[in-house]
Formats: sequence, structure tokens, C-alpha cells
Amino acid sequence: AQKITQTQPGMFVQEKEAVTLDCTYDTSDQSYGLFWYKQPSSGEMIFLIYQGSYDEQNATEGRYSLNFQKARKSANLVISASQLGDSAMYFCAMREKGTGANNLFFGTGTRLTVIP
Amino acid sequence: DVKVTQSSRYLVKRTGEKVFLECVQDMDHENMFWYRQDPGLGLRLIYFSYDVKMKEKGDIPEGYSVSREKKERFSLILESASTNQTSMYLCASSPTTSGGSEQYFGPGTRLTVT
Repeated sequence: AQKITQTQPGMFVQEKEAVTLDCTYDTSDQSYGLFWYKQPSSGEMIFLIYQGSYDEQNATEGRYSLNFQKARKSANLVISASQLGDSAMYFCAMREKGTGANNLFFGTGTRLTVIP
Repeated sequence: DVKVTQSSRYLVKRTGEKVFLECVQDMDHENMFWYRQDPGLGLRLIYFSYDVKMKEKGDIPEGYSVSREKKERFSLILESASTNQTSMYLCASSPTTSGGSEQYFGPGTRLTVT
């Protein structure tokens, strides 16, 4: 079974609007971490936001927030006030406790296009 | 500022050649990783290392080997390149084994095997 599922291969959003990128995960661990990365066309992976499984508050970083619903095993990324520079691939990833060396499991990604 | 560098952005090799991809990080991180990225498949872990001379197989180690002789350098080796190894290769490093430590990525090497 896939540990991370991103069901939206592509998404479009109007500039200045908010957009939600979906991510569901599968783990039997009680302790785990969830990450979102952005990959622009240049190729480099840029860390955006982190949510720990025991964190009670949803993580926020500037225009990024993570809508963490533990019972549903979802960790959706919300980008508010989209900008043209937000056009990129977005990857959700998970680290399980006990995985050596901080291994991450990645989803297949969502390509976001911001329309002017 | 954490920096992870990879030896080449683009590389073209012939089938059967031995290929070395080099990765260097300057933040004294214990952990280093090699991924390959293919459309529709996301990032898949090839190998990782949690210490000098230590290595562990990831999800898709077949056809690859690695070397970590120094803490800052992690090399990916394709012993005999094949066309199905044409891909984007990403190196990453990480400072801890728990908590919210993200992985820091290099710019990637796009390898084409003809």
C-alpha cells in the first residue's frame, strides 16, 4: 500500500485565490511527521512546512498552512493568496518513527498552475 | 545556509558505462540520501547513509551502489548504466534522526543513458 497518496496530478488556481492540495497517508505508527515540499521548474526541492503527529495545532508558515486531520489521516496543504511564483510541483512526504536516518516517503506530487 | 551540491546538472552517458554522481553537503549532517524522480512516481529512495562508511538500501537499490568515505560526501554509482536508469537524481542531507528535521536537497542531476 502507498504510504502517501496525492490524488490530484494537476491543479489550477486563480492568482490571489486560495488552493488546497490533498494528501492522505498510511501508517500504523503513533509518532510520525508530515512534510510538504515545493519543486519549481528549476528542479530543487524546497521545504515548506512540517506537522508532527502529536502537534495539536495545525502548522502554519506564512501563506502555507497544513490542514491536519489525524483521524482521517490527511495532511492537506493550503496556500492562501496564490502568486504566480507558486506554480510548481508540490510533494507531500512522511517520516515514520523508527525509520533509520530520517527517511521520508514521498507522494507522486501535484502540479499547481497559478493563472494570472 | 545549508548547501547541498551535486557534481552535474545534466549528464549523458552510454549504456554500459560506469557513472558516478557526487553529492557534497557543507552542514556536517550525519544523514545523506539518494533519490530518483520519475514522472508519476514521485521520489523513490535508492540508498541512504547515516554515518561515514555506513549505508542502507532504500526502496530501489538494484543497479546502484553508494560510497561514503567522508561525512560531507555521498556518491551514487551506476556500475553499468542502462536506459531505464535515465532519470532525475536528487541528493539530500539531514541533521537528525527524529523530530521535524527536514531533508535539504541538492539541485538534482538529470541523467540520460543512451
